[in-house]
Amino acid sequence: EVQLVESGGGLVQPGGSLRLSCAASGFTFSSYAMHWVRQAPGKGLEYVSAISSNGGSTYYANSVKGRFTISRDNSKNTLYLQMGSLRAEDMAVYYCARDTGYCSGGSCYLEGYMDVWGKGTTVTVSS
Amino acid sequence: DIQMTQSPSSVSASVGDRVTITCRASQGISSWLAWYQQKPGKAPKLLIYAASSLQSGVPSRFSGSGSGTDFTLTISSLQPEDFATYYCQQANSFPPYTFGQGTKLEIK
Repeated sequence: EVQLVESGGGLVQPGGSLRLSCAASGFTFSSYAMHWVRQAPGKGLEYVSAISSNGGSTYYANSVKGRFTISRDNSKNTLYLQMGSLRAEDMAVYYCARDTGYCSGGSCYLEGYMDVWGKGTTVTVSS
Repeated sequence: DIQMTQSPSSVSASVGDRVTITCRASQGISSWLAWYQQKPGKAPKLLIYAASSLQSGVPSRFSGSGSGTDFTLTISSLQPEDFATYYCQQANSFPPYTFGQGTKLEIK
């Protein structure tokens, strides 16, 4: 079964740091780009970050650029989001998701659509 | 950033009704558009990608159309399990891959 399981959420003070993890199973993790998307309480979806299949390219929303770092360990089938300088507006459920992109001729392509999602992990920023 | 605007923000309908949700991009995105369904407390689910391609396993009563700046999601005959919030998302321009604000589909 294709599955993504997030962990690492919790309560953190403003200005603090937290690292989220997303464990993948049931598919060849190293062949897919991955995304993080968040949802503040009672709000809509907000795009956060993406990483290419080999980790060589990363992308960030302006709201988190310079504070968050996306990374992956393909040997562990795990995606990460290192979050720093956390603010109240970062409080949300964080989802990891798999890109629909494909690999061909030794190259992998990011499409930007997300076909497999985890259940999310909750980050609370409060003093 | 490309802005995505959905209308309406909420809609009430009955089982069996045909419902259309609209999404407008602030600039042309060709066909780089997806639609997701989200139920309370659950992760989003991909319904449509590339504006009109049905994701595997999604019922055929869901369909998408449009290109450029104007897109629609149509549910041809509402079923009880379709009452949820729907989001469009552009995948033409990063950063970021922006979402619309959502359309809540409620039971009349």
